[in-house]
Amino acid sequence: EVLLAESGGGLVQPGGSLRLSCAASGFTFSSYWMSWVRQAPGKGLEWVAHIYKDGSENYYVDSVKGRFTISRDNAKNSLYLQMNSLRVEDSAVYYCARTLGSYNDASGYSYYFDYWGQGTLVTVSS
Amino acid sequence: SYELTQPPSVSVSPGQTARIPCSGDALPNQYAYWYQQKPGRAPVLVLYKDTKRPSGIPERFSGSSSGTTVTLTVSEVQAEDEADYHCQSADSSGNDVLFGGGTKLTVL
Repeated sequence: EVLLAESGGGLVQPGGSLRLSCAASGFTFSSYWMSWVRQAPGKGLEWVAHIYKDGSENYYVDSVKGRFTISRDNAKNSLYLQMNSLRVEDSAVYYCARTLGSYNDASGYSYYFDYWGQGTLVTVSS
Repeated sequence: SYELTQPPSVSVSPGQTARIPCSGDALPNQYAYWYQQKPGRAPVLVLYKDTKRPSGIPERFSGSSSGTTVTLTVSEVQAEDEADYHCQSADSSGNDVLFGGGTKLTVL
């Protein structure tokens, strides 16, 4: 059974930092892209970042570039999100998600999420 | 910037068919994906590559695509289908992931 368990959320002041972790089990972690997706209270989903199987490539939504860093440790089956210079608008439930790629002749690869963790809540407030 | 647009809400009676559209300029060239999310729960993938169902998803869930609009159809709607449904796709490069704003399906 695929399981993803996030941890590390909490209350932090604007400008502060937080590191989220995601422990994966039930599949060969190093064979998959992995992603972070967030959801502000009462709002829709927003993709944050994803990382290649060996960590050699990563992509971010514009609003977090330069502030957040996605990383992984395949030996520990773990995914991380280092969040610096946090803003009130970063407040959300952060989900870890196993990521698959689809190839389309017209536009190349796109990515989607077949398993999700239960999420960890990050609140940025003074 | 590129966006995906969904109606905020759709309502149907049990046993009827619900159709949830999602529109976006890149959809003719990009696959769409759909997630079901019940209150307080993580999203669940219900359709991928426009029309394919993951294992365990009922046949009542189907997808279609026409031009810049993709549609999730839930046939013979049941009370348990009441949830938020989110469409997802990519920008023209494929590297950025985009979600629609979500549609709340209410079973009357």
